[in-house]
Amino acid sequence: EVVLTQSPDILSLSPGEGATLSCRASQSVSSSWLAWYQQKPGQAPRLLIYATSTRASGIPDRFSGSGSGTDFTLTISKLEPEDFAVYFCQQYADLPPVFTFGPGTKVEI
Amino acid sequence: QITLKESGPALVKPTQTLTLTCTFSGFSLSTFGVGVGWIRQPPGKALEWLAITYWDGDQRYNWSLHSRLTITPDTSKNQVALTMTNMDPVDTATYYCARGTWSSFDSWGPGTLVTVSS
Repeated sequence: EVVLTQSPDILSLSPGEGATLSCRASQSVSSSWLAWYQQKPGQAPRLLIYATSTRASGIPDRFSGSGSGTDFTLTISKLEPEDFAVYFCQQYADLPPVFTFGPGTKVEI
Repeated sequence: QITLKESGPALVKPTQTLTLTCTFSGFSLSTFGVGVGWIRQPPGKALEWLAITYWDGDQRYNWSLHSRLTITPDTSKNQVALTMTNMDPVDTATYYCARGTWSSFDSWGPGTLVTVSS
């Protein structure tokens, strides 16, 4: 089973700065099956990126995803106040079918 | 507009069976490639996928919990139920249902907090 680790645990930044979040898999993951979510306190997760680099509907272009194999990155180009949240990566494997989430990175002011 | 909403008891006792219902609108579970899944999140912790049911009737479970889980779709009512047996305090969590599209979940319900306590 694939295990996802995310780094850093906490990222302390200011509005306007850029953020780079890392997601590392214990074994190679298909680029088609890596997603990123944003979760704010008291809210459900929101899909940001799927298939490594495709933004979900309505997601602003300051969010971008990249990577391949075991190393994936979520980049936020210029942090807006509403971007301070927890970010989870998630991978899918089909044999057997399983969805695995990473532990999350908190982006705080 | 796609919406999902979870319903069920807020409190269950240890060893009891939990049944949650997800009621959705704005899409059909009969559409090719669509699924409805359940994911939970203990307070302050990470997300854990539990189960998913697909447009073609296929159902998949988290291997570590599969003996306790049953997912049941009702396409006529636009509902998907999740049953989890033998509840334990470690199962205390917010339970989410979400629409699955191949390899990710693109729409989520607001979640329902389930506390397991005697």
